[in-house]
Amino acid sequence: NAGVMQNPRHLVRRRGQEARLRCSPMKGHSHVYWYRQLPEEGLKFMVYLQKENIIDESGMPKERFSAEFPKEGPSILRIQQVVRGDSAAYFCASSPIGQGYEQYFGPGTRLTVT
Amino acid sequence: EDKVVQSPLSLVVHEGDTVTLNCSYEVTNFRSLLWYKQEKKAPTFLFMLTSSGIEKKSGRLSSILDKKELFSILNITATQTGDSAIYLCAVFGQGAQKLVFGQGTRLTINP
Repeated sequence: NAGVMQNPRHLVRRRGQEARLRCSPMKGHSHVYWYRQLPEEGLKFMVYLQKENIIDESGMPKERFSAEFPKEGPSILRIQQVVRGDSAAYFCASSPIGQGYEQYFGPGTRLTVT
Repeated sequence: EDKVVQSPLSLVVHEGDTVTLNCSYEVTNFRSLLWYKQEKKAPTFLFMLTSSGIEKKSGRLSSILDKKELFSILNITATQTGDSAIYLCAVFGQGAQKLVFGQGTRLTINP
């Protein structure tokens, strides 16, 4: 059973460009969560999605950030007009239907904004 | 606001030592507490604790929860260099499916 997949693993963007991060949950999991980890800090919740629904986006910055989890395909975290402060590791986690615990994490995407 | 505090932030010990990592929390309607190990990539799930006083054990790792005093400890006995990692503690609140993480404890095991 493949784990949570994320790509790319490393992404370099110049200020002002767009970043798209992809996450494919574990097989059988329909709940996806995105977390951000700034250098020397713990993980911070960003958004929780089910297929075609955003359930909780209380951790998302109000501007430039958006997330989706379409009926087909991976979940996408999109950051428009990136700034240096967006440089971080972005982790995706998934969990099975009906359970909100034991989230399994992907390897993360390390975003560097130059 | 829900809060998780881990201590110490950093710990360096020799191989073979026993270590205890601490996690205290404040959360509305506590549901469960989780421990993860993070090496260079994905946090790896270790334990989920829901009930007070019941020790969870996996090899040389064990953990226990005290819901009255609002804390948990993670013990690692006979440490090995492969135990070097950041150990993360996180909690779920009732009705919320997002994890609130502590800042982590960076554990270094020297040979």
